[in-house]
Amino acid sequence: KQEVTQIPAALSVPEGENLVLNCSFTDSAIYNLQWFRQDPGKGLTSLLLIQSSQREQTSGRLNASLDKSSGRSTLYIAASQPGDSATYLCAVGNDYKLSFGAGTTVTVRA
Amino acid sequence: KAGVTQTPRYLIKTRGQQVTLSCSPISGHRSVSWYQQTPGQGLQFLFEYFSETQRNKGNFPGRFSGRQFSNSRSEMNVSTLELGDSALYLCASSSLGQGYEQYFGPGTRLTVT
Repeated sequence: KQEVTQIPAALSVPEGENLVLNCSFTDSAIYNLQWFRQDPGKGLTSLLLIQSSQREQTSGRLNASLDKSSGRSTLYIAASQPGDSATYLCAVGNDYKLSFGAGTTVTVRA
Repeated sequence: KAGVTQTPRYLIKTRGQQVTLSCSPISGHRSVSWYQQTPGQGLQFLFEYFSETQRNKGNFPGRFSGRQFSNSRSEMNVSTLELGDSALYLCASSSLGQGYEQYFGPGTRLTVT
């Protein structure tokens, strides 16, 4: 059974600081890894999708890396802003489903 | 392009009743998945459908069922509701499913009293 762990569970940083969110998974037989953002009481917004053959993916201030062999992914958010405050979820895809971590709740202080 | 839509957005039901939730995927998407989100268990996979066929099912009791129609719209049903079924139910669609980007709807908030 795939187990996905996200560390830390919560993070509070001042505006402008770079964010580093970690995700680890136990089974390296994955098709892809997807990072999502969730605002309180809302659905999930897709941030980045990394296919299993890729090492990283970038979109604006966001960069995500994937090391499938070691079962790790890292999401970097550069120059954080108060609007980045949300819960960030990592999900690995296999067997026609996503397995999610518990998320990292980020607070960016103005 | 319109996103994934879910109806209703909020529901209050009583224990023992049944409920049906609906999901309309992004136009052209043929895969629909359902997830349950609770504070204690996080996001858990319920089932995935592609072209009206269920390809995978999560570890939930038989009270939870789903189906997909020929236009890719999907419904999930929960019978004999329990208090523990209170959750945010999220639907996701993707073009072909596995390996493709998943897009989530806003969810249906179900409260069982």
